Amino acid sequence: RKEVEQDPGPFNVPEGATVAFNCTYSNSASQSFFWYRQDCRKEPKLLMSVYSSGNEDGRFTAQLNRASQYISLLIRDSKLSDSATYLCVVNTYSGAGSYQLTFGKGTKLSVIP
Amino acid sequence: DVKVTQSSRYLVKRTGEKVFLECVQDMDHENMFWYRQDPGLGLRLIYFSYDVKMKEKGDIPEGYSVSREKKERFSLILESASTNQTSMYLCASSLFLYKEYGYTFGSGTRLTVV
Repeated sequence: RKEVEQDPGPFNVPEGATVAFNCTYSNSASQSFFWYRQDCRKEPKLLMSVYSSGNEDGRFTAQLNRASQYISLLIRDSKLSDSATYLCVVNTYSGAGSYQLTFGKGTKLSVIP
Repeated sequence: DVKVTQSSRYLVKRTGEKVFLECVQDMDHENMFWYRQDPGLGLRLIYFSYDVKMKEKGDIPEGYSVSREKKERFSLILESASTNQTSMYLCASSLFLYKEYGYTFGSGTRLTVV
C-alpha cells in the first residue's frame, strides 16, 4: 500500500466552483500533516498545515480524520490562480528523535474561465 | 523568509560526467534534503542531513552521494551521470525535524544527461 495516496486528477472546474481533494495515509503513527501547492515547473510551497480540529485560511479549509487516516482540502470560490498541483504531505517519526516528510504524488487542479 | 538557493536552474551533462548540484540556505537550518521529482513518481528522497558532516540515505541513494561541510550548504554529487538521472532535483531545508515544521524548497535544478 502506498504511504500517501491521492487522486491524480486532473480536476477541471469552472471559476467560482467549490472543489475538494482527498488523501489517505497508511502509517497510523504519522504526527502532522500539510498541504503543499506546486505550480508547473516550480518548487512545492507550503499551503497550510492540517490540524485535528480542522483549520481554515481564507477560501481554503483543511480537515484531518485520524481514525480513517484521511486528509482533505476544500477550496471555495475557485480562482484561475488556484490552478496547480496540490500535494498531500505527512510527517512521520523516523527514529532517533526525528521526523520525515512523505509526499503524495499530487492532485492536479485546472480552474477554467 | 527562509531562502534556499540552488546554484543552477538548468543543467545539461554528458553520460559518465561527475555532476555537482549545490544548495545553500540562509536561515541556519539544521536539516537539509535532496529530492528528485519525475512525472508519475512524485517526490523521492535521495539523501538528507541532520547536521554538518552527517548524512542519511533516503529512498533512492544509488548513484548519488552528498557532502555537508558547512551548515548552510548541502551538495548532491552524481558520481557518473547516467541518462536515467535526468530529472528535476529539489533541495529543501527545515529548522527542526519535528512534527510541526514543513520544508522550504529551492527552485529546483532541471538536469538533463545526454
